[in-house]
Amino acid sequence: TQLLEQSPQFLSIQEGENLTVYCNSSSVFSSLQWYRQEPGEGPVLLVTVVTGGEVKKLKRLTFQFGDARKDSSLHITAAQPGDTGLYLCAGAQGGATNKLIFGTGTLLAVQP
Amino acid sequence: KAGVTQTPRYLIKTRGQQVTLSCSPISGHRSVSWYQQTPGQGLQFLFEYFSETQRNKGNFPGRFSGRQFSNSRSEMNVSTLELGDSALYLCASMRQSSYNEQFFGPGTRLTVL
Repeated sequence: TQLLEQSPQFLSIQEGENLTVYCNSSSVFSSLQWYRQEPGEGPVLLVTVVTGGEVKKLKRLTFQFGDARKDSSLHITAAQPGDTGLYLCAGAQGGATNKLIFGTGTLLAVQP
Repeated sequence: KAGVTQTPRYLIKTRGQQVTLSCSPISGHRSVSWYQQTPGQGLQFLFEYFSETQRNKGNFPGRFSGRQFSNSRSEMNVSTLELGDSALYLCASMRQSSYNEQFFGPGTRLTVL
């Protein structure tokens, strides 16, 4: 059972455009991470959000955690070709496990 | 600080064989998790080890097993390989007292023919 749904699945945009990726669930998470993965490599951690309503900025990337800690969004301003990759959200449910539940992924292509 | 390393990077096997994959976590990280990534199913949790003990296991058949050594290095084993086991196998390490922030290795690409 997939607990984290991401939308859109695919996104092809021109350099300079803005975009938002959504990560939704019916479950509550103690923390949520966003990763970016490039072909043939492992995911690279971008950010962790832990508090409902939290907003974090990483240069042109803005991450938000929903008030109820069930959803999150990633907004990229003025996308660049270097932003191309697979974006994954991953939720942790806490407790005695470090297991992450990954979202379905959003494949972003930024055309120069 | 060196990142997570996985060996081998690429592997080709035939159905029925078995395979062992290795993972060395970031120095000081005692928790190691394994994930399987396929185009159809995405990233699926396999198992997690901490201090040589399996703490959690995903919904995979018993052909998938793992272990962790006293130096935190981990191995996973898949026996009686099936075509559907072809995937990118990812290892992630985590330090304690963090918000489940996991650091991934480059993965082992397994192809079963």
